[in-house]
Amino acid sequence: QSVLTQPPSASGTPGQGVPISCSGSSSNIENNYVYWYQQLPGTAPKLLIYKNNQRPSGVPDRFSGSKSGTSASLAISGLRSEDEADYYCAAWDDSLSGYVFGTGTKVTVL
Amino acid sequence: EVQVVESGGGLVQPGGSLRLSCAASGFTFSSYAMSWVRQAAGKGLEWVSVISGTAGNTFYADSVKGRFTISRDNSKNTVSLLMNSLRAEDTAVYYCAKILSSDWYAGFDYWGQGSLVTVSS
Repeated sequence: QSVLTQPPSASGTPGQGVPISCSGSSSNIENNYVYWYQQLPGTAPKLLIYKNNQRPSGVPDRFSGSKSGTSASLAISGLRSEDEADYYCAAWDDSLSGYVFGTGTKVTVL
Repeated sequence: EVQVVESGGGLVQPGGSLRLSCAASGFTFSSYAMSWVRQAAGKGLEWVSVISGTAGNTFYADSVKGRFTISRDNSKNTVSLLMNSLRAEDTAVYYCAKILSSDWYAGFDYWGQGSLVTVSS
């Protein structure tokens, strides 16, 4: 059961920027770090953003994360065809004593 | 290079049991929590369970609590998921994932390729 809400889809043309929102609550996003994952078709998820806004080595700076209160956002700038994938946010939930994932957003490059 | 490799998936009848294993390498295994995440076909990611580096703390999703047991062997760099009383809704690809630190709430940084579990008669 997902308790983090994301838009089901987002799209843009090459070079454009695409924002993806992730809405949660005080028991998850507000009081814990947010993580973002990219899942290319047929592959395992890959860490994109950790601790709200940190990029692992190798992740392009076109990807950026932010958090405010009970919501978080992933921004993709300079959209490229290889960015077509599903994107998930995640956070630890203190009330559930477990991780919660977002509902997922499918990004399409037009 | 960090690697996590799952094994043990397959077809099992409803009510049956299955054990998934995950072999890890490329990092100091006992210093990191490990987790299982599953994904049903065409669906989103669902967290299943997490175990701390020392195995002193374990947590489960409500959907598997009382049926699944996570464990680890730090001498063999492996983590396991014993799944009992399996149901059709447990059918999914199960991913083993390394946690960013020893803290079980720190997020996943490396994922395995996944192991398919199918529960069907």
